[in-house]
Amino acid sequence: QVQLVQSGAEVKMPGVSLKVSCKPSGYTFTDSFIHWVRQAPGQGFEWMGWIDPKSGGTNYAQKFQGRVTMTRDTSISTVYMELSTLRSDDAAVYYCARGDSNGTRFWGQGSLVTVSS
Amino acid sequence: DIVMTQSPDSLAVSLGERATINCKSSQSVLYSPNNKNYLGWYQQKPRQPPRLLIYWASTRESGVPDRFSGSGSGTDFTLTISSLQAEDVAVYYCQQYYSPPHTFGQGTKVEIK
Repeated sequence: QVQLVQSGAEVKMPGVSLKVSCKPSGYTFTDSFIHWVRQAPGQGFEWMGWIDPKSGGTNYAQKFQGRVTMTRDTSISTVYMELSTLRSDDAAVYYCARGDSNGTRFWGQGSLVTVSS
Repeated sequence: DIVMTQSPDSLAVSLGERATINCKSSQSVLYSPNNKNYLGWYQQKPRQPPRLLIYWASTRESGVPDRFSGSGSGTDFTLTISSLQAEDVAVYYCQQYYSPPHTFGQGTKVEIK
């Protein structure tokens, strides 16, 4: 069955970088895009971008351009989302999700990120 | 960016009654070459990731009860729960995947009256 397993919760200080991993299984890694979406506490969803694991190509939401980097390691079938220069309003649950032509059916469990000095 | 606006923000419905949630996009999400609306509906319960209920605006995802239905085209869409059950208490979101950024509505909280 399709699963996406993300890295665990993190506490970060303002100004540092965050790197979250997402390891899909149950399908061919390079067959589907991976999207990253975040949800601040008590808030809705914010789409951050996607990565094509086959080519490494990316598409970032303009809001995050220059601060986000999505990468993949095909040798271990894992994708990463790195967000730099963290601020307090970056505190959120970060999700990866498999992108299909009809939306995002499979989601990771979420990675809780706390930003605090 | 395509702005997605849901209404209402919350609603309380009696068990067994109908719940209707609306979603409006700031531009059409209908892709003419395949006549598909790139619009999905999600359900989120506390401390869980969202669950895809409906895709292509009106196609029910496998395993989703048939009391959930989606309708609409172009810029105006509706999610209907025909007979609300206790397990349907959740927040519901629409999302367009027509063009990046794949924006979400702000969410509609559904409760039992």
